Amino acid sequence: GDKVKQSPSALSLQEGTNSALRCNFSIAATTVQWFLQNPRGSLMNLFYLVPGTKENGRLKSAFDSKESYSTLHIRDAQLEDSGTYFCAAASSSGGNYKPTFGKGTSLVVHP
Amino acid sequence: EAAVTQSPRNKVAVTGGKVTLSCNQTNNHNNMYWYRQDTGHGLRLIHYSYGAGSTEKGDIPDGYKASRPSQENFSLILELATPSQTSVYFCASGDAGAEQFFGPGTRLTVL
Repeated sequence: GDKVKQSPSALSLQEGTNSALRCNFSIAATTVQWFLQNPRGSLMNLFYLVPGTKENGRLKSAFDSKESYSTLHIRDAQLEDSGTYFCAAASSSGGNYKPTFGKGTSLVVHP
Repeated sequence: EAAVTQSPRNKVAVTGGKVTLSCNQTNNHNNMYWYRQDTGHGLRLIHYSYGAGSTEKGDIPDGYKASRPSQENFSLILELATPSQTSVYFCASGDAGAEQFFGPGTRLTVL
């Protein structure tokens, strides 16, 4: 099975609303990254996390290593938030650092 | 901001031909990675490297070779390209246990 599972796989939001994306993993992750792939295909870094939370503007992310999940909260969604969100989990133990990606959440924000 | 560049950005190859995708990073990161992205699969790790002269197999290495001649450069080599290798390829760099930074991607079509 998939080592990193993202939910939901697709999401449609009205501009100005809030939502949360989730990433569950079956590996002993020590770090998590969140990316946004824009419609042109570029991958933009959103967050890099060790266990804990980070916030940047309308985005907030949390990583719980004991419960093996991470969340990405979007507040006051805007049209430019549309795209595909990926999480990548990795374990830095044993010196073999190989991030594993989820399959992504496709987000469309509409007026 | 980390700078990772890839060349070419687009490539059309014939079945059985040799293809080399190049990646360059200017941030002195130890680790470099090659992923491919296909619809429904997210990003999957092909090969990675811990430093000049090292290459390691990722999760889907079959049909691919990698070369890391220097800290800055990491190449992905398809000795005998097949149509199943048609995909978008991303290179990334980062230090072990640290944030990854991605290049813009290379779109490869094998006819």
